Amino acid sequence: ETGVTQTPRHLVMGMTNKKSLKCEQHLGHNAMYWYKQSAKKPLELMFVYSLEERVENNSVPSRFSPECPNSSHLFLHLHTLQPEDSALYLCASSQVSGRTEAFFGQGTRLTVV
Amino acid sequence: RKEVEQDPGPFNVPEGATVAFNCTYSNSASQSFFWYRQDCRKEPKLLMSVYSSGNEDGRFTAQLNRASQYISLLIRDSKLSDSATYLCVVKDYGQNFVFGPGTRLSVLP
Repeated sequence: ETGVTQTPRHLVMGMTNKKSLKCEQHLGHNAMYWYKQSAKKPLELMFVYSLEERVENNSVPSRFSPECPNSSHLFLHLHTLQPEDSALYLCASSQVSGRTEAFFGQGTRLTVV
Repeated sequence: RKEVEQDPGPFNVPEGATVAFNCTYSNSASQSFFWYRQDCRKEPKLLMSVYSSGNEDGRFTAQLNRASQYISLLIRDSKLSDSATYLCVVKDYGQNFVFGPGTRLSVLP
């Protein structure tokens, strides 16, 4: 099993649809992250879960709703998105303390039509 | 002021050249430092961690200057396969990773 797995890899959805992105990590980490990467822009931190508790929410619109049922799984629920939400959504995991790096999944490339 | 700043480039260098990237960070309480590499339309991958004493991994050397809040990456004997975007990353005392905008490198034949 790869360290961090994201599904689906590609997603096209209409503005009225509801969909969910899934992330699973097999590294025994206790922190998980959602990042957004738009074209030619740096990674933007969206949400952080530490020990299954949300600790960061960077003014993300409510049409994005995260869920972390356990330390290995992370979801991003999407509804009534806008075309400008089209981007690469990356999940990462790490250990809360120490100098451990973040490991990324391959991302979900989302297109909102 | 942005938390992590990098020259976006692009840096266009010939094969075999030596190239250096710089990065500055604003949070003096930052604890850990990394360089990541990101290929086009792919996820970021760790290139190397950066330690206060400086560290080397093959053709890559990273340096950290805490007093100046400055991080560098040196690539020697550039290969075509080194073409990518290099991301400077800073981790605070907790669990947040802050990414710089990245520096794009193109190694030309």
